[in-house]
Amino acid sequence: NAGVTQTPKFRVLKTGQSMTLLCAQDMNHEYMYWYRQDPGMGLRLIHYSVGEGTTAKGEVPDGYNVSRLKKQNFLLGLESAAPSQTSVYFCASRLDRSSGNTIYFGEGSWLTVV
Amino acid sequence: AQKITQTQPGMFVQEKEAVTLDCTYDTSDQSYGLFWYKQPSSGEMIFLIYQGSYDEQNATEGRYSLNFQKARKSANLVISASQLGDSAMYFCAGFTGANSKLTFGKGITLSVRP
Repeated sequence: NAGVTQTPKFRVLKTGQSMTLLCAQDMNHEYMYWYRQDPGMGLRLIHYSVGEGTTAKGEVPDGYNVSRLKKQNFLLGLESAAPSQTSVYFCASRLDRSSGNTIYFGEGSWLTVV
Repeated sequence: AQKITQTQPGMFVQEKEAVTLDCTYDTSDQSYGLFWYKQPSSGEMIFLIYQGSYDEQNATEGRYSLNFQKARKSANLVISASQLGDSAMYFCAGFTGANSKLTFGKGITLSVRP
């Protein structure tokens, strides 16, 4: 997973707290994605971005916000964490629409909301 | 939008035998791409194989091959000569040329028996 870095890797939050997950890539990729993975649900797309300054909603965007102020960084924010947001979060990036199979994943961020 | 469906329950295979993991997709786009990823218990996402909708031949990568049947909208993964290290969760994923979303199925757990 060289090239896509997620921070933090582990975090425990109390209900109502806020936090930001950072995804950073150094491959000059245009497309970046945030997913959450829950047992039996696969990876569900939260938000994604097709370039600096752009973001779009995925399948499960409620309770999350994102920003892509710099091309290399895609931030996922939880303004008021809820236990239902306990999950493993993955970031992924892709060069562009024509880049086919060159998708890179971060190593995941384990978030627990108590 | 593209929908990816994986409906098999947990799969079991004897070491050294071949196994097929099913994936169906639903899209009206002519241009799309399909992937298979492996997720071992350690959690990282490992790229296995990619098939573009315009690729004339089925994709192969070592012991992995993709049985791509456009008319049936299926993209099944075939693992030949299973190894104990193949025990993992397997995800089918896809994107269409019309948008940038990368959508995942719910995954299939494969267990290889010695």
